[in-house]
Amino acid sequence: RKEVEQDPGPFNVPEGATVAFNCTYSNSASQSFFWYRQDCRKEPKLLMSVYSSGNEDGRFTAQLNRASQYISLLIRDSKLSDSATYLCVVGGSNDYKLSFGAGTTVTVRA
Amino acid sequence: GAGVSQSPSNKVTEKGKDVELRCDPISGHTALYWYRQSLGQGLEFLIYFQGNSAPDKSGLPSDRFSAERTGGSVSTLTIQRTQQEDSAVYLCASSLGPGGSGNTIYFGEGSWLTVV
Repeated sequence: RKEVEQDPGPFNVPEGATVAFNCTYSNSASQSFFWYRQDCRKEPKLLMSVYSSGNEDGRFTAQLNRASQYISLLIRDSKLSDSATYLCVVGGSNDYKLSFGAGTTVTVRA
Repeated sequence: GAGVSQSPSNKVTEKGKDVELRCDPISGHTALYWYRQSLGQGLEFLIYFQGNSAPDKSGLPSDRFSAERTGGSVSTLTIQRTQQEDSAVYLCASSLGPGGSGNTIYFGEGSWLTVV
């Protein structure tokens, strides 16, 4: 079983729509969680950290469910510029190891 | 520059040749990572440095791969006797402290390696 699993998508949505997707992780001792964004042929960039109580950053909302071992990302009012691959990143029980999911591709169409 | 700098940005090499990839992390960042990403795939962990030491080399695919870091700064990833399956983008990342502790890791733009 992979440490971090994501639905690869693609999620094709019209501008203005809401899109949401999850990521599951296998290590119950994981302590840190992030969403990174990766544009085509570019490096990953931090979108947001995910906190236990859930957090929001503008149109983006992240949630953590420790009991079921998944995190989610919701994008409201989608923009064309939101088209990208979203990588789920989970920190393990040690203090440095990060595991990356293979990514969920989102395409926002006009 | 302010970000993680990698060179070369693109490298085409013949099978069997050695290549050296360089990473210059953000100044002051003690943690440095190397990842590999093949086309359409996720990031594969290669090695982690804390300062000049590498407590985790578990991701290096074979003994053809090696990495070092000097002066707590620049790191080089060396691939000997390259094979076609080594073709990928090699991403370097750095952070103030260990990434699993909640420190943000910042990536360089990668070194795109093609072995022909």
